[in-house]
Amino acid sequence: QVQMVESGGGVVQPGRSLRLSCAASGFTFSDYGMHWVRQAPGKGLEWVAVIWFDGSKKNYADSVKGRFTISRDDSMDTLYLQMNSLRAEDTAVYHCARWFGNSVYAMDLWGQGTTVTVSS
Amino acid sequence: QTVVTQEPSFSVSPGGTVTLTCGLSSGSVSTNYYPSWYQQTPGQAPRTLIYTTNTRSSGVPDRFSGSILGNKAALTITGAQPDDESDYYCVLYMGSGIWVFGGGTKLTVL
Repeated sequence: QVQMVESGGGVVQPGRSLRLSCAASGFTFSDYGMHWVRQAPGKGLEWVAVIWFDGSKKNYADSVKGRFTISRDDSMDTLYLQMNSLRAEDTAVYHCARWFGNSVYAMDLWGQGTTVTVSS
Repeated sequence: QTVVTQEPSFSVSPGGTVTLTCGLSSGSVSTNYYPSWYQQTPGQAPRTLIYTTNTRSSGVPDRFSGSILGNKAALTITGAQPDDESDYYCVLYMGSGIWVFGGGTKLTVL
């Protein structure tokens, strides 16, 4: 079954760190670029970060640049998001999403998400 | 800072046709932005509907179609059904590995 399952969310104090994981199965993970997309409570979707299929490039939204790091371990079929210096405004459900690939600049498969709450 | 604009809400009668749009705060949306569309119901993961302006994702009914209308990307639902009541988001590829979501449109079918 083709799917992605996020984990690692929780309640964390402002300024602390958290690492999210996204475990992929049912497809060749190393063939695909991957995104993180988040949704704050009652708000819309926000693109967070992308990593190319081979890990050669990474990009970030301005709102997380310098604080978040996207990475991947193809041997584990897992995507990560290291989140440092967390702020209250980072509170959201974080989804991983698969990049269609090649010249199709869209997401085609989504995980259910993991919830991050930043609060003292 | 580029803002991607969508109607906050829209209403359509069952069986009716509705067109949701996706624009830019400055400039026009063209196929070069590779617009894509996603449907989301509360508490669920997004579902991909349309990519590269007008290509339907696998399993998406043909009542959903994408296009460029004037200076915006558009998602048209023809013959709306109650199950289509959802939030709809567009995404534009801004180049240089950056994507931007619109604020979403809450569609009511009644």
